[in-house]
Amino acid sequence: KAGVTQTPRYLIKTRGQQVTLSCSPISGHRSVSWYQQTPGQGLQFLFEYFSETQRNKGNFPGRFSGRQFSNSRSEMNVSTLELGDSALYLCASSTGPPNNEQFFGPGTRLTVL
Amino acid sequence: AQSVTQLGSHVSVSEGALVLLRCNYSSSVPPYLFWYVQYPNQGLQLLLKYTTGATLVKGINGFEAEFKKSETSFHLTKPSAHMSDAAEYFCAVAVPGGYSTLTFGKGTMLLVSP
Repeated sequence: KAGVTQTPRYLIKTRGQQVTLSCSPISGHRSVSWYQQTPGQGLQFLFEYFSETQRNKGNFPGRFSGRQFSNSRSEMNVSTLELGDSALYLCASSTGPPNNEQFFGPGTRLTVL
Repeated sequence: AQSVTQLGSHVSVSEGALVLLRCNYSSSVPPYLFWYVQYPNQGLQLLLKYTTGATLVKGINGFEAEFKKSETSFHLTKPSAHMSDAAEYFCAVAVPGGYSTLTFGKGTMLLVSP
């Protein structure tokens, strides 16, 4: 089985712009979660989607949003980018409950200038 | 709510020495526990997990961890370090049967010297 894929792998944007990141889960996985990783805050949960519905959301401002499509692929969007949004954004997929095991993609490295 | 504390942001060992990475958790319900490893410019790879049953869990690459409920700990060990073990290690906790959300510790960078 192919693993979790994320595109693009690297992205450079300027403050005020918006960005869309994409994640394709492992075939058959219906749950997709997004995490932000920074040196200062570590790994922080953004949101989780299961069967096109957002099931859980972390403590991030409304500028961060996401969605999931019927084929389980997911996108996350960040509007009005700030310097502090520079981070590695990781996507993880799982089959859903009761199995919480998550499989991670390689991440998208976002740099905001 | 769950939380994870990893003692030591950096741990240095010599090749062939014992590796011990510490993880303590806080959870209002019996948790699922995980250890992940991250190599530079890569995502996270699952090393091992504890869900139910045997408290000593064996994972990939010779790593193992023991769930100790009384100490709320899930320390990661490997008898003999290899240079290839140098990476960042993350302990994580999840609520059984709930959302797939993982709460991570801050991570421990393992440095292995020849």
